Amino acid sequence: DTAVSQTPKYLVTQMGNDKSIKCEQNLGHDTMYWYKQDSKKFLKIMFSYNNKELIINETVPNRFSPKSPDKAHLNLHINSLELGDSAVYFCASSQLAGGTYNEQFFGPGTRLTVL
Amino acid sequence: LAKTTQPISMDSYEGQEVNITCSHNNIATNDYITWYQQFPSQGPRFIIQGYKTKVTNEVASLFIPADRKSSTLSLPRVSLSDTAVYYCLVGVPHSSASKIIFGSGTRLSIRP
Repeated sequence: DTAVSQTPKYLVTQMGNDKSIKCEQNLGHDTMYWYKQDSKKFLKIMFSYNNKELIINETVPNRFSPKSPDKAHLNLHINSLELGDSAVYFCASSQLAGGTYNEQFFGPGTRLTVL
Repeated sequence: LAKTTQPISMDSYEGQEVNITCSHNNIATNDYITWYQQFPSQGPRFIIQGYKTKVTNEVASLFIPADRKSSTLSLPRVSLSDTAVYYCLVGVPHSSASKIIFGSGTRLSIRP
């Protein structure tokens, strides 16, 4: 069973289009994240949701809008795609309530290519 | 925010012990140190986390000196499958608002 899943795995689209990436976790975690990994492999956090509430919103263009319909899902919608949005986007989840470790479980990533 | 510095790359051979050191001079009192491993075309995977002294699990050991300004990930008897990028990061594990920052990572290459 896949703990954190993302769809699609690959996404190729034209500049100016609007696209969405879906993320689901079946671990029962209360916190979910979106990260962006660029061509230089830097992994940067974009958003963090805790119990469907936005906690972290890094300096991300407002063209990016996360949506969390429930604790198990955190989707990423991107409007007016630009060339610089090309990257691999990772979804992750963790359980912050209780325990000692905050181990984040990452999805397989979505490679977005904007032409 | 505590920034981390790691070597860009390291090479080693199968069967050797590999130690990757990370500097985090501005680590805060409540920060923990966490290491992740990332294989090509996959998401990062948690390896180990610690606060001070030494932590050991079935995969690796983490050595943290008393001043906590650095940490060393130790991989015993590496194999080819340990070839990956290793990230050191610091942050408060129990805070959903913790801005956990991944550094550039260390690309570890293991040779036969």
